[in-house]
Order: sequence, then C-alpha cells, then structure tokens
Amino acid sequence: QVQLVESGGGVVQPGRSLRLSCAASGFSFSSYGMHWVRQAPGKGLEWVAVIWDDGSNKYYGDSVKGRFTISRDNSKNTLHLQMNSLRAEDTAVYFCAREDTAVTRGAFDIWGQGTMVTVS
Amino acid sequence: SSELTQDPAVSVALGQTVRITCQGDSLGIYYANWYQQKPGQAPVLVIYGKNNRPSGIPDRFSGSRSGNTASLTITGAQAEDEAEYSCNSWDSSGNVVVFGGGTKLTVL
Repeated sequence: QVQLVESGGGVVQPGRSLRLSCAASGFSFSSYGMHWVRQAPGKGLEWVAVIWDDGSNKYYGDSVKGRFTISRDNSKNTLHLQMNSLRAEDTAVYFCAREDTAVTRGAFDIWGQGTMVTVS
Repeated sequence: SSELTQDPAVSVALGQTVRITCQGDSLGIYYANWYQQKPGQAPVLVIYGKNNRPSGIPDRFSGSRSGNTASLTITGAQAEDEAEYSCNSWDSSGNVVVFGGGTKLTVL
C-alpha cells in the first residue's frame, strides 16, 4: 500500500547534526514533490522544506534555512533531511509528506507517522 | 513569507454545523487545503482545492473560499470529528508553504 516511513530521529545535543530518512513505497516516488513538516510538542504544524519531483528545486522555511538540507534518491525511493547546527527549538516530530500537485498545489495527501527529534 | 491565521479553538454541539476559518493573503491566489489531526497521529487531508474530498472522507466535510478567507464546514458534527484542524497553502511567492496555527475543535 501507499506509505511513507520516517526514521533517524533521536536525542542530540545542541550544535550537533542528525539525518532523517523517509522511505516511500506503493507509488511512483519520482513523480511527486516531497516535503518535511514538523510539529513541536503542543504546537501546530510548521513547514520545513520541499524538494521537487526531479530534485531540481529545493526551498526551505526561514527557521531552518542555511542549516537543513533536503535531498532525495529516486532510485531508492528515499527522502532525506540533513539537519546541522541543531537548536533546542528544533525539537519536534518530523513528518515527511507527499504533495499531489495533480489535484492542487499544497495538498499533502500522504503523511508518514513521524519521527521525534529532541535537541537537548 | 505570508501567514495563515486560524482561531485557536471552536466548539460545536453534536449534530450541529461548524465553520472553521483560515485567513491569509496567499488564499487570494491559492486554495487552502485542510487537515485533521488527532492526538498522537499524523495529519489527514480532509479537503483540498476548491472543495474536494479525498477518498474515505465523509461528505459532511466541505470547503469554500471568499476573498482571502477559506472555510472548512462540518455539517452535522460527530464525536469522532473532535480534533485539531489546520489549513495550508503555498505562499504568494510560490516557493514556500505556510500552515495556519490550527483550530482545536471540541464536539459537545
């Protein structure tokens, strides 16, 4: 079935790095833009980054620009988020999500279960 | 980047109709999409585009837009609709995505 499974979360000290992965299955991964969205404890959803279907364009939220890097390997159906210079305020559950631009922009129709990142 | 504004909390009596709103400049360009999120779970897309429901979403959920304000309407709210509802859209630059702060819906 169509699914996204994140991995790589954990506890990390401030200033250190962490790499998240998102394994896609059940659909043509290379045909979709992919996003990372995070949610701090008790807070709302915050968009983190997007990478286009062919990896040609990447955009970031202001709070992570210059520290986080989104990438993808279409041959392995995998999305990544390299997080450097981590701060306490990066503590959150990180979700990967598929954007179905065939129906409308910004419609995230498939989400992973999330992976928790704690910076402390 | 632009912002999307939502009321923090809304309540509705069981079986009644409730409207949740999302306001922002980008909604004059892009449609809002709506997500339902229950505690400890990932968000679920409930409305996308002009007024479209993904497969499996009950038809009591509907969406609309007036100017820079998008609305999610639940007609005949059920106990299982109690959740956080968030909107999103691309911002006016077309390079970043914005989410509203979320609305906690309580079904009384």
